[in-house]
Amino acid sequence: EVQLVESGGVVVQPGGSLRLSCAASGFTFEDYAMHWVRQPPGKGLEWVSLISWDGGSTYYADSVKGRFTISRDNSKNSLYLQMNNLRAEDTALYYCAKATNNWLDPWGQGTLVTVSS
Amino acid sequence: EIVLTQSPATLSLSPGERATLSCRASQSVSSYLAWYQQKPGQAPRLLIYDASNRATGIPARFSGSGSGTDFTLTISSLEPEDFAVYYCQQRSNWPPPSFTFGPGTKVDIK
Repeated sequence: EVQLVESGGVVVQPGGSLRLSCAASGFTFEDYAMHWVRQPPGKGLEWVSLISWDGGSTYYADSVKGRFTISRDNSKNSLYLQMNNLRAEDTALYYCAKATNNWLDPWGQGTLVTVSS
Repeated sequence: EIVLTQSPATLSLSPGERATLSCRASQSVSSYLAWYQQKPGQAPRLLIYDASNRATGIPARFSGSGSGTDFTLTISSLEPEDFAVYYCQQRSNWPPPSFTFGPGTKVDIK
């Protein structure tokens, strides 16, 4: 069974930094691209970032470009999201998801990031 | 950037009724459209991909149709577990690739 487990979400002050992790199991992690998607409390979904299977290509939403960095360690079956210069509008539940062709399937349960002073 | 619009925002129906949800793209996405279901406190789940293909394990009462700019998700007969929020999502291959979600349609119990 495919499992994705996010961690690292905490309360952080505006301007602060945070690294999220996503531990993958149940599939050959190194064969798949991976996404991060976020969902502000009570709101809809926003795609954040995509990384290719080997980490050689990365893509970002305009809202996080230059502040967030996606990476992966295939030897550890892990995906990461380094978040710098955090803003109040970055407050959200952050999901990792496996890229299946053009789609996101499955998703983890998410980790909550709160940016507040 | 391709923008997705979903209608209605809320659909109030009774179990057993048919639900018809709409997703419209600001420009053609061919058949590169998916639908996800999200229940309260849960992660989204892929229902339909490539506009009309059901994902693994998705019941036959869920069907998708459309191409270009207009898409529909139909639930033929609502079960109690189907009351949830539904999102459409497209992928644009225009360099760089990007992914956008619609704002969602909430299907609630009438």
